[in-house]
Amino acid sequence: EVQLLESGGGLVQPGGSLRLSCAASGFTLRSYAMRWVRQAPGKGLEWVSAISDSGAGRYYADSVKGRFTISRDNSKNTLYLQMNSLRVEDTAVYYCAKVGITGTTWRGGLDVWGQGTTVTVSS
Amino acid sequence: QSALTQPASVSGSPGQSITISCTGTSSDVGGYNYVSWYQQHPGKAPKLMIYDVSNRPSGVSDRFSGSKSGNTASLTISGLQAEDEADYYCSSYSSSSTLFGGGTKLTVL
Repeated sequence: EVQLLESGGGLVQPGGSLRLSCAASGFTLRSYAMRWVRQAPGKGLEWVSAISDSGAGRYYADSVKGRFTISRDNSKNTLYLQMNSLRVEDTAVYYCAKVGITGTTWRGGLDVWGQGTTVTVSS
Repeated sequence: QSALTQPASVSGSPGQSITISCTGTSSDVGGYNYVSWYQQHPGKAPKLMIYDVSNRPSGVSDRFSGSKSGNTASLTISGLQAEDEADYYCSSYSSSSTLFGGGTKLTVL
């Protein structure tokens, strides 16, 4: 079964850091581009970051640029999101998601999603 | 990176058809055939319903269809069923980023 499992969320003070992980199973991670998408409480979906299948291409929403870093370890079938200088407005459920088509970073939609991990930034 | 525009809510009776619109610009929806639609039930992760404007993933009912005209994409659900009641989000590629719509709450009366 194709699955994504996020971990690493929690409560952190403003200005703090967290590292989210997303473990992939049932498919070969290195063949697919990946995304992080977040959803603040009671709000809609917001794209956070994307990474190409090789990891050479990394892209960020303006709201997190310079603070968040996306990476992947294809040998461990794991995607990461390093979040620094966290703000109250970063509070959300963070989902990792898999692009549905190989060989592209942007086509194909996001066909597999994790269950999400909750990040709460509060003093 | 402005969000795409969706109606906040739509409703329909069982068996009817509804359409949800998603309006962007020539830099996103109108410029690329990379529009996707997601269904999200409360407390659950989103589910891909349509990708690349009009393609249905394996396992998604053929009651769901997508289209695009100019800067506006549309999701049509025919033969409404109670289990279709959910939030629906569109998304589009735009300049090395992904935009989401604000979401549409579908109520099945």
